Amino acid sequence: KAGVTQTPRYLIKTRGQQVTLSCSPISGHRSVSWYQQTPGQGLQFLFEYFSETQRNKGNFPGRFSGRQFSNSRSEMNVSTLELGDSALYLCASSSRWFDMKSAFFGQGTRLTVV
Amino acid sequence: GQQVMQIPQYQHVQEGEDFTTYCNSSTTLSNIQWYKQRPGGHPVFLIQLVKSGEVKKQKRLTFQFGEAKKNSSLHITATQTTDVGTYFCAGPGGYGGSQGNLIFGKGTKLSVKP
Repeated sequence: KAGVTQTPRYLIKTRGQQVTLSCSPISGHRSVSWYQQTPGQGLQFLFEYFSETQRNKGNFPGRFSGRQFSNSRSEMNVSTLELGDSALYLCASSSRWFDMKSAFFGQGTRLTVV
Repeated sequence: GQQVMQIPQYQHVQEGEDFTTYCNSSTTLSNIQWYKQRPGGHPVFLIQLVKSGEVKKQKRLTFQFGEAKKNSSLHITATQTTDVGTYFCAGPGGYGGSQGNLIFGKGTKLSVKP
C-alpha cells in the first residue's frame, strides 16, 4: 500500500509569508504526528492528531498550527515565517493512538525561508 | 523538561568494525524506540523496547534497554557501508498514554569507510 505522502517536497518562502504543508497518511491510519527537524535542534515534536482532534502539542509558538480532516489527511500551517523556520518537516502516521510500532514517516517537506 | 541525550554525536568507523551509540533519558521511560535515517531520507522505525533489561537483536544490530529504563544502547557488529546514516533514540513524552509525542535524541551520525 502507498506510504505516507507529504506535499510539497520542497518549498522556498520569504520571511513574513505563510505556508501550508500537507500530509496524507497511509490508508486506514487515523493518527498523524508532525515533527520539525533541524541540524541544531534535531527532531522536535509539533502536533499529534487523532480523529480530527489535536491530542498533543509541542513547545512551538502559536504561528505553528495544524488540523486534521475527516479523511485523516492533515495540514500544518506556519504564519509569519522566520529564517529559523527553515527545516525538514516530517509527518508520521499510525493506525492507532499512537503506537509507534506501526508508525511510518513521510519523506518530509524541506522548507527554506529566505 | 524531559530530555533524551545521545552520544556520540558522530562516529567514523572502518568497515568491519563495531559501532555503539548510547541514549540516556532524564526520566524513566515506558518504552524506547530506535530509528535510522539515511542521508537525505526520513526516519525509519527500527525497534521498540519495553521491558526493563530487555535485549533484542536484528541481525547485526543489538538493542538494549537499561534496568532502570532510563538508558539504552544500539550496537552494530561488523559494520557495513549500508549501515551509514543517523541513528536516533526516542522516548514517549506525551500524556494519557499518547505515544505520538516522541522526544528524540540528537542522533549519532555513523560513517563507514570501505
